[in-house]
Amino acid sequence: QKEVEQDPGPLSVPEGAIVSLNCTYSNSAFQYFMWYRQYSRKGPELLMYTYSSGNKEDGRFTAQVDKSSKYISLFIRDSQPSDSATYLCAMSAKGGVSSASKIIFGSGTRLSIRP
Amino acid sequence: EAGVTQFPSHSVIEKGQTVTLRCDPISGHDNLYWYRRVMGKEIKFLLHFVKESKQDESGMPNNRFLAERTGGTYSTLKVQPAELEDSGVYFCASSQGRGQGINNEQFFGPGTRLTVL
Repeated sequence: QKEVEQDPGPLSVPEGAIVSLNCTYSNSAFQYFMWYRQYSRKGPELLMYTYSSGNKEDGRFTAQVDKSSKYISLFIRDSQPSDSATYLCAMSAKGGVSSASKIIFGSGTRLSIRP
Repeated sequence: EAGVTQFPSHSVIEKGQTVTLRCDPISGHDNLYWYRRVMGKEIKFLLHFVKESKQDESGMPNNRFLAERTGGTYSTLKVQPAELEDSGVYFCASSQGRGQGINNEQFFGPGTRLTVL
């Protein structure tokens, strides 16, 4: 069983729609939860970062973490064609300066926003 | 400020040959990570340097892979001899290494696409 499960999609929605992306995980030691966006032929770019449970909002993006259900979500409001990319959920058990902080990634969801 | 750079961007080699990938982290970043994504799979951690020391190499697949970080600056990842299953995209990331949580954000390079024929 993978530590992090993510639906690979592809997911195609019309411009302006609300997008919901989700991941589940099995390792209860994860404390740091991230969403990365990756454009074709580029490296992953950090989009949202959450520590422990709760919600975090940044513009059109909202990240939710439910540690009791081991479930994380990313919502994109008023989606734009420029949001078309692969979205990777990611998590780590440690994030402190003196700790190894390898990131465990989901497989990524390919998202396409139709104009 | 320059981001993480990787060289080459693409390498095509034959099975049994040797390939060396290079990563230049963001200046001043103590932490350097190698990850790779093989076809159809998720990005997986390979190893983590703190300055010139290997902090965690639990993700290295076997002894055909050798990573070094000279003087705590750039890093190389050598695959010798390369096998077909080594094909994929190899990413390097770096983080500052000071402070907690998001201050340890990992910045990723564009990756090196390795094809082993």
